[in-house]
Amino acid sequence: GDSVTQMEGPVTLSEEAFLTINCTYTATGYPSLFWYVQYPGEGLQLLLKATKADDKGSNKGFEATYRKETTSFHLEKGSVQVSDSAVYFCALSEWGAQKLVFGQGTRLTINP
Amino acid sequence: EAGVAQSPRYKIIEKRQSVAFWCNPISGHATLYWYQQILGQGPKLLIQFQNNGVVDDSQLPKDRFSAERLKGVDSTLKIQPAKLEDSAVYLCASSLDRRAGTGGSPLHFGNGTRLTVT
Repeated sequence: GDSVTQMEGPVTLSEEAFLTINCTYTATGYPSLFWYVQYPGEGLQLLLKATKADDKGSNKGFEATYRKETTSFHLEKGSVQVSDSAVYFCALSEWGAQKLVFGQGTRLTINP
Repeated sequence: EAGVAQSPRYKIIEKRQSVAFWCNPISGHATLYWYQQILGQGPKLLIQFQNNGVVDDSQLPKDRFSAERLKGVDSTLKIQPAKLEDSAVYLCASSLDRRAGTGGSPLHFGNGTRLTVT
């Protein structure tokens, strides 16, 4: 079945550091790919998405590119802030399947 | 707009007891989801409703879990009897249309109910 694998956390960085959180997926068809973020005390919220190969999703300085050849959707940010501390989830959905399949999440902590 | 509302925020019960969670989605959202998030894992879909009909309940343990959305608005999820392995955060989400997972309107999540079974 479909699955998503994220790099294990927790990840701790200093402010203004470069961030990469790896995400790879296994799917039988052509899924849409998502990054969701969960800030402390809040619900999950969509950060960015990409619906086809080579698409780049971006939001709040974060970017991720849909790489079909490597089945990856790595999350990147050039300069992280303390306010980016959260848990990040990579997810996919097969076309027509509607439901989201999530990775296990990566906890990110940014120190000032 | 008001977000997805869930209650209670926390619940502690003993195994073999029953428990119910409530969710009120964003007004006008036809699709409602219940997810289970065990500590250290990503959310797993339990059941998806389109209005008051079930679209997907393939991962719902139907011997102990039940859910309803009688009027196509709010929903309840029940566990009876609870087991230790049911300890998790139960997330409710809603979306404007059923294509949310395929690039349609995004899912909006509530803050969840944290269940501890002792």
